[in-house]
Amino acid sequence: SQKIEQNSEALNIQEGKTATLTCNYTNYSPAYLQWYRQDPGRGPVFLLLIRENEKEKRKERLKVTFDTTLKQSLFHITASQPADSATYLCALFTGTASKLTFGTGTRLQVTL
Amino acid sequence: GAVVSQHPSRVICKSGTSVKIECRSLDFQATTMFWYRQFPKKSLMLMATSNEGSKATYEQGVEKDKFLINHASLTLSTLTVTSAHPEDSSFYICSANSGRSSYNEQFFGPGTRLTVL
Repeated sequence: SQKIEQNSEALNIQEGKTATLTCNYTNYSPAYLQWYRQDPGRGPVFLLLIRENEKEKRKERLKVTFDTTLKQSLFHITASQPADSATYLCALFTGTASKLTFGTGTRLQVTL
Repeated sequence: GAVVSQHPSRVICKSGTSVKIECRSLDFQATTMFWYRQFPKKSLMLMATSNEGSKATYEQGVEKDKFLINHASLTLSTLTVTSAHPEDSSFYICSANSGRSSYNEQFFGPGTRLTVL
């Protein structure tokens, strides 16, 4: 079965810096990969989706890359703000019954 | 658009009782709904996939008699935790898929915190 690992459980960075989160997967490459934000006690909120034939996707201060050779996706937040503090989850579409498999998540803390 | 609600947001019950959690898609019809559970500082674990008008498909290790799922309409799915025990205490989250997106985008509810005493 697909195994997904996100590089670290927690990441602390200073406001204004770029946060980089990593998502690694084993086995087959998914058709697409998604990133979600989850705040404490809340459900995940969809942020970005990147397809296997796309190298990079941007949305405002967010950027996602997808390297099917390395089996890795990177999620960047530029000019980070304290409001960006949350847990970020990557998720892979398994291709079976529309199911998503989620990574363990990285808790980002942006300090002043 | 694409709003999913859950009710209740928080429930505390005694061991042995049953608890029903509702998941509603408010502004779209959900052909498929998913139920997840999440333990503290852990990721979402898919419990079951629910399709309107048919039986739910449960993930390996999830007891279907313990976690009853009903998807009676295109906007409502319910999860009933039967004879709840303290180990069932968790954060339960539903999501819905309209079936119209080619990327199977899922829209998540706000979650339900279940505490079994």
